[in-house]
Amino acid sequence: AQSVSQHNHHVILSEAASLELGCNYSYGGTVNLFWYVQYPGQHLQLLLKYFSGDPLVKGIKGFEAEFIKSKFSFNLRKPSVQWSDTAEYFCAVIHSGNTGKLIFGQGTTLQVKP
Amino acid sequence: DAGVIQSPRHEVTEMGQEVTLRCKPISGHDYLFWYRQTMMRGLELLIYFNNNVPIDDSGMPEDRFSAKMPNASFSTLKIQPSEPRDSAVYFCASSADRGLDQPQHFGDGTRLSIL
Repeated sequence: AQSVSQHNHHVILSEAASLELGCNYSYGGTVNLFWYVQYPGQHLQLLLKYFSGDPLVKGIKGFEAEFIKSKFSFNLRKPSVQWSDTAEYFCAVIHSGNTGKLIFGQGTTLQVKP
Repeated sequence: DAGVIQSPRHEVTEMGQEVTLRCKPISGHDYLFWYRQTMMRGLELLIYFNNNVPIDDSGMPEDRFSAKMPNASFSTLKIQPSEPRDSAVYFCASSADRGLDQPQHFGDGTRLSIL
C-alpha cells in the first residue's frame, strides 16, 4: 500500500536555526506532493505543493521543498525559523492512479524556542 | 469565499449518544473528505465523496460510523452509538477536483469528546 513517512516526529529548534523535515513516499508513479501546516488549535493549511516542473518549490512564509524523484523524497526546508513557525507539519501525497485520496504522513511537531 | 464550514466546533457528550457532525464545502468543489485526527493515529481519511457519491469509505472504522452527502453543499458524519475511543478532532475538506491539480481546503474541525 502507498505510504508517506515523516522521519522526524518532534523537532525542537532555536529561533534563526535552519529547518529540514524529511518526507518519503512509497509510490513509484506520477505523484503530486503537498506540505500542510497546522498551527495550534487551527485547521490544516496548505504550505506548498508540487505538481510538475521545477522540483524546488517555494511556499508561503519562506518555506521551500525539493522533490527528488530518485529518492522518493519531498523534504521541507526553511533557512531561518521563527517562534511563530511552531506547529505540526504534514507531508501528503496523491498519485495519478488514485481518484482523490490524499495520503498523509504522521506529522512532525516543530517547536521553536524564542 | 467562506471556506469549508464545520459545525459544531466542539462537542461533548456521553457514550452511547448519537453524534452528528456537519460540513459545508466550498461552493463549486466536487470532492468532499472526512478525516479524523488523534494523537495515536495521526490524520486518517475516513471517507470521501465525489459529486455527492461516496467513492471510498474504507477508512470508516466500523458500522457505528456513517456519512451522507444529500446535496453538493452539505455533508454529515454520524456516530451512533458513540464510544470514548471516538474522541478526536474530525476535519472536513473539499477540493475542486480529485486533487491532482488542486489542493484540499480544510475546515476548522470539530473537537469531539465522548465521556
